[in-house]
Amino acid sequence: NAGVTQTPKFQVLKTGQSMTLQCAQDMNHNSMYWYRQDPGMGLRLIYYSASEGTTDKGEVPNGYNVSRLNKREFSLRLESAAPSQTSVYFCASSAGRVHEQFFGPGTRLTVL
Amino acid sequence: KNEVEQSPQNLTAQEGEFITINCSYSVGISALHWLQQHPGGGIVSLFMLSSGKKKHGRLIATINIQEKHSSLHITASHPRDSAVYICAVKSGNEKLTFGTGTRLTIIP
Repeated sequence: NAGVTQTPKFQVLKTGQSMTLQCAQDMNHNSMYWYRQDPGMGLRLIYYSASEGTTDKGEVPNGYNVSRLNKREFSLRLESAAPSQTSVYFCASSAGRVHEQFFGPGTRLTVL
Repeated sequence: KNEVEQSPQNLTAQEGEFITINCSYSVGISALHWLQQHPGGGIVSLFMLSSGKKKHGRLIATINIQEKHSSLHITASHPRDSAVYICAVKSGNEKLTFGTGTRLTIIP
């Protein structure tokens, strides 16, 4: 099992460009999450999906959109990237909201 | 004030020492998580607990619900334990709130 995979690992964008971060899990988990991690701050939830076909906003959703394409895949889209979105992005999944979360390797995004 | 506070922020110790990392929180919780983030950036879940104590190898996690406090202990520490240890709490709305982490360095 690969667990949780994320692509790309690194990305540099210019202000105003768009991109989609991909996440997939092969553990048949219902819940999936997108977090961002910034220096000196704890991980913050951007969006989550409790099950296929549902998505909900987290703590810092502005500037992002998500798609739960199927049970395996949960993508995060930046429509018009801003320097404030420079961060490390982690995808995670869990069997349910009361279960432990498994994290992907992260995507390091720089917006110039 | 952050909902989740960890101490110390940084900890350097000699190989073999007993390590304690503390986590205090200010909200009611349904569960507390301890996570490990290695220098390469990957995050691994170590424990999820809602009461008492859990042990896995050289790692022990305890929680005191009344005092809103948890500790992560590492016995016989080793340089490979060097990492950032993160405490996260799950509150009533099932959202995880993360601490900023404790950076542990074990010197051979």
